[in-house]
Amino acid sequence: KAGVTQTPRYLIKTRGQQVTLSCSPISGHRSVSWYQQTPGQGLQFLFEYFSETQRNKGNFPGRFSGRQFSNSRSEMNVSTLELGDSALYLCASSLNGLAGGEGELFFGEGSRLTVL
Amino acid sequence: LAKTTQPISMDSYEGQEVNITCSHNNIATNDYITWYQQFPSQGPRFIIQGYKTKVTNEVASLFIPADRKSSTLSLPRVSLSDTAVYYCLVGEGAGSYQLTFGKGTKLSVIP
Repeated sequence: KAGVTQTPRYLIKTRGQQVTLSCSPISGHRSVSWYQQTPGQGLQFLFEYFSETQRNKGNFPGRFSGRQFSNSRSEMNVSTLELGDSALYLCASSLNGLAGGEGELFFGEGSRLTVL
Repeated sequence: LAKTTQPISMDSYEGQEVNITCSHNNIATNDYITWYQQFPSQGPRFIIQGYKTKVTNEVASLFIPADRKSSTLSLPRVSLSDTAVYYCLVGEGAGSYQLTFGKGTKLSVIP
């Protein structure tokens, strides 16, 4: 079956702009979680959506937001971009979500954002 | 909050067994321990998951002592293609929906 699809794969923005990234999970998966990966901070949890509801949010400012649609596809939005937002943004889908860390996460290839 | 500590990097020769240990002193009762592998510019890929004792699959083994405060990923007979970053992952606590990845262990396999 098809894997997790993230679009766009690469994008360049300038400071102050906003960006929307999309994630299509594996069919049947209700959980989508988002992560930011940078060389300095590693992989950091942004938030998780399960059946259209945000279940938890990591330690990121309110400029980072997301949503999930009824077909489980998810989008994340970053407003007022800063240079430090340059990163690889990864989404992962899973059948039952993140509680206790049980179950396998299936990651997409990521969206690489460069902020100039 | 659960937090993991792993070595930053490890080197190994081809054909050797590699053991990567992760400490997670604050692991909660309901938390599972999961390991992922990541190649550059790709998303992480699931390797193995366990709750206690030993788990083995076709690519790795996971050893978890009784107190569950650490775990060891064992990769038998590594090859050059095993060069990657390995992440140890635990939940953030019972009933929580957040995961801590940490910075991972960069494994370099030398010919």
